[in-house]
Amino acid sequence: QQQVKQSPQSLIVQKGGISIINCAYENTAFDYFPWYQQFPGKGPALLIAIRPDVSEKKEGRFTISFNKSAKQFSLHIMDSQPGDSATYFCAASKGTYKYIFGTGTRLKVLA
Amino acid sequence: DAGVIQSPRHEVTEMGQEVTLRCKPISGHNSLFWYRQTMMRGLELLIYFNNNVPIDDSGMPEDRFSAKMPNASFSTLKIQPSEPRDSAVYFCASTSLVGGNQPQHFGDGTRLSIL
Repeated sequence: QQQVKQSPQSLIVQKGGISIINCAYENTAFDYFPWYQQFPGKGPALLIAIRPDVSEKKEGRFTISFNKSAKQFSLHIMDSQPGDSATYFCAASKGTYKYIFGTGTRLKVLA
Repeated sequence: DAGVIQSPRHEVTEMGQEVTLRCKPISGHNSLFWYRQTMMRGLELLIYFNNNVPIDDSGMPEDRFSAKMPNASFSTLKIQPSEPRDSAVYFCASTSLVGGNQPQHFGDGTRLSIL
């Protein structure tokens, strides 16, 4: 019940295309859902986060869609750029500290 | 502002040796986390400190691992004796839990190789 399932494992998108990464969870007590971006040799960096009281949050080219009834949330990257090539992790937490991370999606955007 | 600072960035040592990883959290953050990242297991939380006190160490793999936070600006993760299966990237993260959910800020990690 503590797992967060992330898909796909890897993704190749053409420049200008839309990248979509999906996550699903079981624990309905989770109340915070961040997405992290990680470049090689770097630590994960917060990209965008959502709480379950909203269905969508947009920051620039990055959008989180949240479906509470389906217990799913997804990251959409519009107008994908080669500089977006990185590994993306979804996570979920209940209350304060314990993030449960997805297994990661390696995104490659072709120039 | 300086982010989370970890040292060393890379560590290569022989099996059986003691390894000490260091972390300086972001100033003002009152919570600190140690994670381990491997291809097989992804990102795993090892231990969590709040106000310098260990709150949850259920992720520490075994007694060979220990962590301390002697003050608000410094933490160590020690492995003694080290084994090849400890090879991984170890991340430290910090956050301020005042005001509810706040994002965790990660350092750039220590890549540990045990030969």
